[in-house]
Amino acid sequence: DAKTTQPTSMDCAEGRAANLPCNHSTISGNEYVYWYRQIHSQGPQYIIHGLKNNETNEMASLIITEDRKSSTLILPHATLRDTAVYYCIVRVITGNQFYFGTGTSLTVIP
Amino acid sequence: KAGVTQTPRYLIKTRGQQVTLSCSPISGHRSVSWYQQTPGQGLQFLFEYFSETQRNKGNFPGRFSGRQFSNSRSEMNVSTLELGDSALYLCASSVLTDTQYFGPGTRLTVL
Repeated sequence: DAKTTQPTSMDCAEGRAANLPCNHSTISGNEYVYWYRQIHSQGPQYIIHGLKNNETNEMASLIITEDRKSSTLILPHATLRDTAVYYCIVRVITGNQFYFGTGTSLTVIP
Repeated sequence: KAGVTQTPRYLIKTRGQQVTLSCSPISGHRSVSWYQQTPGQGLQFLFEYFSETQRNKGNFPGRFSGRQFSNSRSEMNVSTLELGDSALYLCASSVLTDTQYFGPGTRLTVL
């Protein structure tokens, strides 16, 4: 069962940072936070994941609060191609089941 | 490395028929998971195979089954198709229990 809560939709101006929040208040110490995105009818694309510390890669940054009950995915300079549904998922370290919630539909506006 | 591939990409069947979908994982990946995506239920986990054994299973009826071969390629089968089985079926692979990489999916339409 999905253990995350995300806003249904968000807009972001092209070139600006997109900040996508996720609440996972029941997360356990052995659960990762993962972010994927899905562009219409394609397979979900992996973005980033983390356990406790903030993480950054070429696509995005992941900020996890100290109590680990929420996180924020940051796309530093949103482009039109970033328009997609973004899923925040918690996954047990030793398990391989990903439970997807409803995600956030991000629209990047020119 | 080549990504996860799924065949066929599109499929049309009629109620009562059965269907087999195929997934080839990324080279070196031993775990293959299957998901069903529908507008009403979203993305739902079907099952996971690792080293030819089903390791995890979601809450789907027995009409949904799968298997994995020694080369890690996987197939899923749906018997006695129902209209509600129309969906995008996604396959994802991972090395062990780590980041999953998804294929493009198979769009199944049941008439």
